Amino acid sequence: AQKITQTQPGMFVQEKEAVTLDCTYDTSDQSYGLFWYKQPSSGEMIFLIYQGSYDEQNATEGRYSLNFQKARKSANLVISASQLGDSAMYFCAMRERYYGNNRLAFGKGNQVVVIP
Amino acid sequence: NAGVTQTPKFRILKIGQSMTLQCTQDMNHNYMYWYRQDPGMGLKLIYYSVGAGITDKGEVPNGYNVSRSTTEDFPLRLELAAPSQTSVYFCASTPTAIYGYTFGSGTRLTVV
Repeated sequence: AQKITQTQPGMFVQEKEAVTLDCTYDTSDQSYGLFWYKQPSSGEMIFLIYQGSYDEQNATEGRYSLNFQKARKSANLVISASQLGDSAMYFCAMRERYYGNNRLAFGKGNQVVVIP
Repeated sequence: NAGVTQTPKFRILKIGQSMTLQCTQDMNHNYMYWYRQDPGMGLKLIYYSVGAGITDKGEVPNGYNVSRSTTEDFPLRLELAAPSQTSVYFCASTPTAIYGYTFGSGTRLTVV
């Protein structure tokens, strides 16, 4: 079963506007972590932001913030004041228990194109 | 620091050939992972290691093997390459299981 769901089609965003990327997750664990990664066209995976399941405040990192709604099992990424360099694929991931260890399970990604 | 280094960056293999994808990290991380990313998809876990001498299968281990003789190195071996193994392969590491990963730059593999 899909653990991380990212269903938005490709998004076009005007430069300097904010964009919200949706992510819902499925877990029965009480302790878990949620991550967002950016993958530009060059292909590398860049860590953006992390939210722990027990964190009471939404995580923020510069222009990135994570809108964490635990009851709804959603962890949406908000990028404020979009820049051309934000054009990329964005992946939501969840740290989950995996046969006694931990792993990151990834969604299929959201494509964002920032237009001037 | 170099972080996580993967070689090669690109490779074309013929069906039935074998190769090893190299992964080295210089951060003294215990945990290392191999993922594959198919076009338009997220990453799927192939194998992982929680320390030197310990490896375990992930979601899609068939057709691959790994070893972890040192903390730094975690090579991925493809035996008898098949077109279904055409993908981008990422190696990643983390100091403890609760943190996010540092990824290598990826290896783009095509099997023809």
